[in-house]
Amino acid sequence: EPEVTQTPSHQVTQMGQEVILRCVPISNHLYFYWYRQILGQKVEFLVSFYNNEISEKSEIFDDQFSVERPDGSNFTLKIRSTKLEDSAMYFCASSALLGGNQPQHFGDGTRLSIL
Amino acid sequence: SQQGEEDPQALSIQEGENATMNCSYKTSINNLQWYRQNSGRGLVHLILIRSNEREKHSGRLRVTLDTSKKSSSLLITASRAADTASYFCATGSGGGADGLTFGKGTHLIIQP
Repeated sequence: EPEVTQTPSHQVTQMGQEVILRCVPISNHLYFYWYRQILGQKVEFLVSFYNNEISEKSEIFDDQFSVERPDGSNFTLKIRSTKLEDSAMYFCASSALLGGNQPQHFGDGTRLSIL
Repeated sequence: SQQGEEDPQALSIQEGENATMNCSYKTSINNLQWYRQNSGRGLVHLILIRSNEREKHSGRLRVTLDTSKKSSSLLITASRAADTASYFCATGSGGGADGLTFGKGTHLIIQP
């Protein structure tokens, strides 16, 4: 069964540095998402992406964050000037049709640790 | 904003028993989905129920939705040790590329 893959599985970064998290969505999917889960807390929506532009973003997704689909297969989340509170699991997801009426398929996540 | 909240927060039962988890939300929804998360892994989609549906089955899973009470339940019948995981409900408004709103989850432990 096709899977969403994320790399790296664990990223350790010094505070203030930039980090790029990478995702390869399922190949025929059209909608892409990033979520984060701070340890012990809920999974939180960050941003959705369709047709090469952001469709929806949450209050968390401020100017520190950006997303890009640099080619036909990758979908990236860039976090600039990382802070301690950015430490979390970051999940990428994709769906085939309108996300609200279709399941979203999640990757196993990248654990981001900010030191 | 829409919000799913599950209860109980934790549930421990014997293998073979049925497990029931509940979810409540606050605003109108287009659909409600249930996901499972094994420790250290991503979320796995289990079942989606639309707002005009009342009950849905998938294998050992049964989901109900009561839009008047803004609540849903997930029943896992004949539980197995492999069902041990955290279970989350998530709501979607159905608008555009819909970001899901997740609850805090129910941690289910199946005792062998």
